[in-house]
Formats: sequence, C-alpha cells, structure tokens
Amino acid sequence: EAEVAQSPRYKITEKSQAVAFWCDPISGHATLYWYRQILGQGPELLVQFQDESVVDDSQLPKDRFSAERLKGVDSTLKIQPAELGDSAMYLCASSQLGGRMYQETQYFGPGTRLLVL
Amino acid sequence: GEDVEQSLFLSVREGDSSVINCTYTDSSSTYLYWYKQEPGAGLQLLTYIFSNMDMKQDQRLTVLLNKKDKHLSLRIADTQTGDSAIYFCAGTTGTASKLTFGTGTRLQVTL
Repeated sequence: EAEVAQSPRYKITEKSQAVAFWCDPISGHATLYWYRQILGQGPELLVQFQDESVVDDSQLPKDRFSAERLKGVDSTLKIQPAELGDSAMYLCASSQLGGRMYQETQYFGPGTRLLVL
Repeated sequence: GEDVEQSLFLSVREGDSSVINCTYTDSSSTYLYWYKQEPGAGLQLLTYIFSNMDMKQDQRLTVLLNKKDKHLSLRIADTQTGDSAIYFCAGTTGTASKLTFGTGTRLQVTL
C-alpha cells in the first residue's frame, strides 16, 4: 500500500540552528500539506501545495519558515533559525486532487518529531 | 474560522462501547472526519461523514452527526486494547480542503 514518506523521523537541534524536513507524498497525489502538531494539541496547517504552487500559507511563520515543492512531487520544509517553541511533530499529508467540492481523503506520513534545545 | 472541541480523556473497559464526542462551530462544515493517532505515529483516517448525513456505520464504528447542535460523535463497539490511542475529529468547509482539527481525545482501554 502506498504511503507518505517523511525523514528524518526524529531531529534534535539547538536554537538558532537551521533544520529541514523532507516529505515524499503518495505517487500521483497533486496536493501536499505540512502540519505542525504541538504536544497535546491537534495538527495545524502550515502550508498547502497544489502541484508546485502554494495554495495556503497563511499560518506559516514566514520570517523563519520556508517550504518548497519545486517539481510538484516531494517537498522540503525548513526552519531557520529554530526557536525553542518550534519543538513539535511536523506532519506531511497528501491527497489526490484537493481543493474541490467533494470528499478528499488526506493521507498522513509518520511525522518528524523536532526537539529544539 | 472553525473551532473544534473535544473532551480530553475517556477510559473504558475492554468489550464495552466507547463514545467520543466533538463539537464544532462552523455550520457550513462540509465533511467531518475521525482520525486515530497511536503514540509517536501519524494520523490514520478512520471514517468520515458528509454534512447531509445523520449517521454512518462502518463495521465497529458508528458516526452520528447532529447538525442543529453542531455535534459529532464516534461510537466504537466492542472496544479492544488496540483501540487505545488519541482520536481527533476534523472538519473542512466549502470548497477548501483545509482540515481543522480538534484537540484530541485520549482513549484508554482497560482489561
């Protein structure tokens, strides 16, 4: 069964350092999402891509976070510089089409757990 | 925007039924979902319901939707220890595929 892949699974870094997370969506899925899940809370959308274009990045802290999906396939989320409050689980999800008026299942990867010291 | 609320914790005995509740604020919510998250893992879609439905049953899972009260529930029949996890309800509105999640309910199944 096809799955969303993410790496690394765990990352420990010191504050002010740069970190990057990678996501490979299910093959053929046009829409890719990055979510942040703080411990004890539900995931919150950071950025949504439709193919290589950003559809929604309204909740992305653009002063330190960046995301790209250059060829419309895999994606990288970067934080520079990392802050203590960035410690969280970063989840990637993909869906086949996205943004349409019908049910569209989002499939989630295992996540990258980030700890900033 | 949408707000989704859930109770934090539920404990049930193995073999009993579990009912996890969720309330939401946006009456234009189109689809409502239940996801399961096991420790250290990503989210697994369990089931979903379209806003024009009142109930949906899928094996041991029953979803009830009360649009008037903006209340969603997930019933798990014959709860097993493997059902121990955090359960999130989430919704989408209109043409947007953006999911808004609740805070999650931790289900503990005891022997």
